[in-house]
Amino acid sequence: KQEVTQIPAALSVPEGENLVLNCSFTDSAIYNLQWFRQDPGKGLTSLLLIQSSQREQTSGRLNASLDKSSGRSTLYIAASQPGDSATYLCAVGRFAGNMLTFGGGTRLMVKP
Amino acid sequence: GAGVSQSPRYKVAKRGQDVALRCDPISGHVSLFWYQQALGQGPEFLTYFQNEAQLDKSGLPSDRFFAERPEGSVSTLKIQRTQQEDSAVYLCASSLKASGGAFYNEQFFGPGTRLTVL
Repeated sequence: KQEVTQIPAALSVPEGENLVLNCSFTDSAIYNLQWFRQDPGKGLTSLLLIQSSQREQTSGRLNASLDKSSGRSTLYIAASQPGDSATYLCAVGRFAGNMLTFGGGTRLMVKP
Repeated sequence: GAGVSQSPRYKVAKRGQDVALRCDPISGHVSLFWYQQALGQGPEFLTYFQNEAQLDKSGLPSDRFFAERPEGSVSTLKIQRTQQEDSAVYLCASSLKASGGAFYNEQFFGPGTRLTVL
């Protein structure tokens, strides 16, 4: 059974800092990996999707990498802003349906 | 609308009551997923449809949970005889397809329905 772990569970940083969120998974036979953002009381917003054949994806200040062999992904956020404060969730998709298995999330607080 | 919508946004039920949660996926999306999110945790998969066919219901926690998508568009998740442990946010997601490249299999989520069972 696939298990996804996110470290740290919570993170508080001053504005402007570059930061890295970590995600690890136990089964490397994944279809894709998706990073989401969740604001309190809201649904999930897709940030980046990495196919299993890819190594990284970039969108603005966000960069996500994927190392399938070691079962790891990182989300890099450059020049963090208070508006980045949210919970970040990592999810891996499996073959035959692409159902997602989620980590527990990293709760990020960026202080002005 | 352009995104996934869910209704109601909030539902309070008395223990033992039946509830029905609705999901309107993005138009044209073939795949539809239901997830359950307990407070402070990541979502957990419940069930998956491809068009009107329910291809996987392995995540449904008990036979009190039932989902349908009769015309391959709108989906309803029904919970019979609700229990306190059913209290959670129920999230619906859709994707254009389940396979193919990134354009096809990225999942888009609705705002969720927060169910509270008293």
